[in-house]
Amino acid sequence: KQEVTQIPAALSVPEGENLVLNCSFTDSAIYNLQWFRQDPGKGLTSLLLIQSSQREQTSGRLNASLDKSSGRSTLYIAASQPGDSATYLCAVSRQRYAGNMLTFGGGTRLMVKP
Amino acid sequence: NAGVTQTPKFRVLKTGQSMTLLCAQDMNHEYMYWYRQDPGMGLRLIHYSVGEGTTAKGEVPDGYNVSRLKKQNFLLGLESAAPSQTSVYFCASKVRGDGSYNEQFFGPGTRLTVL
Repeated sequence: KQEVTQIPAALSVPEGENLVLNCSFTDSAIYNLQWFRQDPGKGLTSLLLIQSSQREQTSGRLNASLDKSSGRSTLYIAASQPGDSATYLCAVSRQRYAGNMLTFGGGTRLMVKP
Repeated sequence: NAGVTQTPKFRVLKTGQSMTLLCAQDMNHEYMYWYRQDPGMGLRLIHYSVGEGTTAKGEVPDGYNVSRLKKQNFLLGLESAAPSQTSVYFCASKVRGDGSYNEQFFGPGTRLTVL
């Protein structure tokens, strides 16, 4: 059974700092990995999606990497801002599984202090 | 486009009552999903559908039923609500299964409390 773990569960940093969020998964037979942002009381917003054949994806100040063989992904946030404060979730999609359902990690709650 | 919408946003039920949560998407997506999110845990898949008229069980299907009579709608039903079903429910959709169009789009959630 696929298990996804995110460490740390919570993180507090001063504004302007570069930071890395970690995601690990136990079964490397994934189809893709997706990073989401969730604001309090809100739904999930997709940030980046990495196909299993890719090594990284970039969007603005965000960069996500994937090392499928070691079961790890990182989300790098450059020059953090208070507006980045949210919970960040990673999720993996099983390889070619009917429905391509996502298995989620527990999330990292990020607070960026002004 | 409104994207993925969910009705209602909040609901309080008494144990044993029934209700239906509605998810609607206007993106012509084939796949739709229902997840629940509990404190300190990630989202867990309840049921999903790969097309109109089809449904399948996810990770935690017990106590729930679903229907996909129209492509744009995915309904989640609780026949006899229990306190353990107190949670935030999220609906999601995506274009289809394979290829690069694999991103799931999520609704804003329904916060359900069962007393």
